[in-house]
Amino acid sequence: EVQLVESGGSLVRPGGSLRLSCTASGFTFDDYGMSWVRQAPGKGLEWVAGINWDDDKIDYADSVKGRFTISRDNAKKSLYLEMNSLRAEDTALYHCARGIGSSDFWGQGTMVTVSS
Amino acid sequence: DIQMTQSPSTLSASVGDRVTITCRASQSVSIWLAWFQQKPGKVPRLLIFKASTLHSGVPSRFSGSGSGQEFTLTISSLQPDDFATYYCQQYSSYSQVTFGQGTKVDI
Repeated sequence: EVQLVESGGSLVRPGGSLRLSCTASGFTFDDYGMSWVRQAPGKGLEWVAGINWDDDKIDYADSVKGRFTISRDNAKKSLYLEMNSLRAEDTALYHCARGIGSSDFWGQGTMVTVSS
Repeated sequence: DIQMTQSPSTLSASVGDRVTITCRASQSVSIWLAWFQQKPGKVPRLLIFKASTLHSGVPSRFSGSGSGQEFTLTISSLQPDDFATYYCQQYSSYSQVTFGQGTKVDI
C-alpha cells in the first residue's frame, strides 16, 4: 500500500524557518518525481515545488522561489521542504504528493501556521 | 507561468444531472491536464490525467476532453458521492505546475 506521511509542521513566527519531511512507503520511491502542494484554510490547491527522481529538475512556484528548497533522499525514501523567511500567507496544510503533475497519491498533510 | 481558469466557480445541480466544468489555460498545455476531486477534510483524488485518461478505479460517469487551451470535465449522471470541489491542473511545463481555482458542485 502506497503511503506518504508528512511531518514537521508547527506554529512559527513571521521570518522564521521550518523543515518539512515526507516519508514514503509501498512503492519504489526513486522511480517517481515528487511534489509539495499546499492548501490554505478554506482556499484552493497551490503547487509549491517539484523534484524529479534524480534531482536533475527542480522548480518552484513564484510565490516561494528563493525562500523554499525542495530536496530528496532516495536511500531514506524521503522528501523534504526547507522553508525560510516564512510569511503569514504561507499558512497552509502542506501535502507531499507522488508525481510532479497528475499526482495519484497524496499524504494527509502537515499544518504550518505563520503568526506572531 | 501558465494561468488556469475554471468556470463556473460554483455549480448547483441535482442527482442525475449531466454536469460540465470548463478549464481554460492562458497558453497551450497540449494534453497535459489533470482533474482532481476534493471533499471537505479529505486529500485530493486524481480523476483524469492527460486530459481524457480515466485514472484507475474512477467511475466511468466521469470523462475529460480537450487539448491546447480548453478542457472540460463531464459527469454524465451526478451521484450523491460526487458533490465536491473539482480542480484542474496543468503540468505541461515540467516546472511551475498550476491549478485552477476550483469548482464547487453542490445541491
